[in-house]
Amino acid sequence: RKEVEQDPGPFNVPEGATVAFNCTYSNSASQSFFWYRQDCRKEPKLLMSVYSSGNEDGRFTAQLNRASQYISLLIRDSKLSDSATYLCVGNGGSWGKLQFGAGTQVVVTP
Amino acid sequence: NAGVTQTPKFQVLKTGQSMTLQCAQDMNHEYMSWYRQDPGMGLRLIHYSVGAGITDQGEVPNGYNVSRSTTEDFPLRLLSAAPSQTSVYFCASSSTRTGKYSNQPQHFGDGTRLSIL
Repeated sequence: RKEVEQDPGPFNVPEGATVAFNCTYSNSASQSFFWYRQDCRKEPKLLMSVYSSGNEDGRFTAQLNRASQYISLLIRDSKLSDSATYLCVGNGGSWGKLQFGAGTQVVVTP
Repeated sequence: NAGVTQTPKFQVLKTGQSMTLQCAQDMNHEYMSWYRQDPGMGLRLIHYSVGAGITDQGEVPNGYNVSRSTTEDFPLRLLSAAPSQTSVYFCASSSTRTGKYSNQPQHFGDGTRLSIL
């Protein structure tokens, strides 16, 4: 079992709608999480860091549920430019290593 | 405002050839790492370094060598290229030691797309 797991999708979302998806992690020692977005095999770009119960940045909200060991990302008022793969990353690995999920694909349609 | 710079962006090799993928960062970051990304498999850690002169293996180190003689540079060497090493390679850095007990994200270069024939 992978240490960080994500639904690969795709999540097909009409423009303007809200979409949410989860990332589960197996290592309860994980303290910090990050969401990255990746466009079509380009480099991952940091979207948000999550250190406590959650974080919000504009239309993006991340929530961390430590009891159930998952972190969610919610995108409100989806834009066509939000179409991307979203990578969930945790720091529960050994020293020097982050744990990457394989990504969730989001496709926003007109 | 360069950040993490990778060269080359594209490369085609023949089986058995060797080459070096270059990575440089201008943010004075202590930690640097190399990943490969294959379809459906996400990012896999090849090697990482927590400072000049210190390197360690990641998840998939076989067939690759690294060195860290300066804070800025972290080259990845393919010793004898194999078709299984066809992939997209990303270099990343962070300001402090990443992983357990760290809250530091990583910053990625824009990748090297490598094809081995």
